[in-house]
Amino acid sequence: AQKVTQAQTEISVVEKEDVTLDCVYETRDTTYYLFWYKQPPSGELVFLIRRNSFDEQNEISGRYSWNFQKSTSSFNFTITASQVVDSAVYFCALSKAPGAGSYQLTFGKGTKLSVIP
Amino acid sequence: DTGVSQDPRHKITKRGQNVTFRCDPISEHNRLYWYRQTLGQGPEFLTYFQNEAQLEKSRLLSDRFSAERPKGSFSTLEIQRTEQGDSAMYLCASSRADRNYGYTFGSGTRLTVV
Repeated sequence: AQKVTQAQTEISVVEKEDVTLDCVYETRDTTYYLFWYKQPPSGELVFLIRRNSFDEQNEISGRYSWNFQKSTSSFNFTITASQVVDSAVYFCALSKAPGAGSYQLTFGKGTKLSVIP
Repeated sequence: DTGVSQDPRHKITKRGQNVTFRCDPISEHNRLYWYRQTLGQGPEFLTYFQNEAQLEKSRLLSDRFSAERPKGSFSTLEIQRTEQGDSAMYLCASSRADRNYGYTFGSGTRLTVV
């Protein structure tokens, strides 16, 4: 069975601070995908990134960066110079690889980030 | 591209009543997914369609739940004999088969059973 753990339930930071959201996953598959989604108060889940298990390169997109470490089964997300608009619930998710017969995502419980002006 | 539309946005129903939600995916997306999200939790997978075929169902989808996608376009999710435990946000997502996991989620239908 697949499992995603986001140990941080809520985090508050002051605007312009950096913040890292932790994600630890469990799977018996050798090939899998990892995701981060943002859920603002409007409720719609917004896709941020997908990473496959073969690609351990870290990725940076503007103020966002992701650190994938297969050895520790972690896929952490860092926001640099946080802004009030970053306030949302962030979800880490895991799925099997395409062709494995399942396209469902297994989500963590989410981390609520509040950025205080 | 108007996104994934869900209707209604909110539904309040009395316990024991039946409710039906609708999802209109992005027009060229042939895959459609339903998820349920309770307060303080992440979304949980319910079911998945490719075109009109329902290919995967979660154990969460009890016999009171039924989903259809009759013409491979919009989908409906019906809950019969609602219970208070059914109160949740029901999220729909769609994707193209050639873009694995390129989900686009709708804003959801929030169900409250009183």
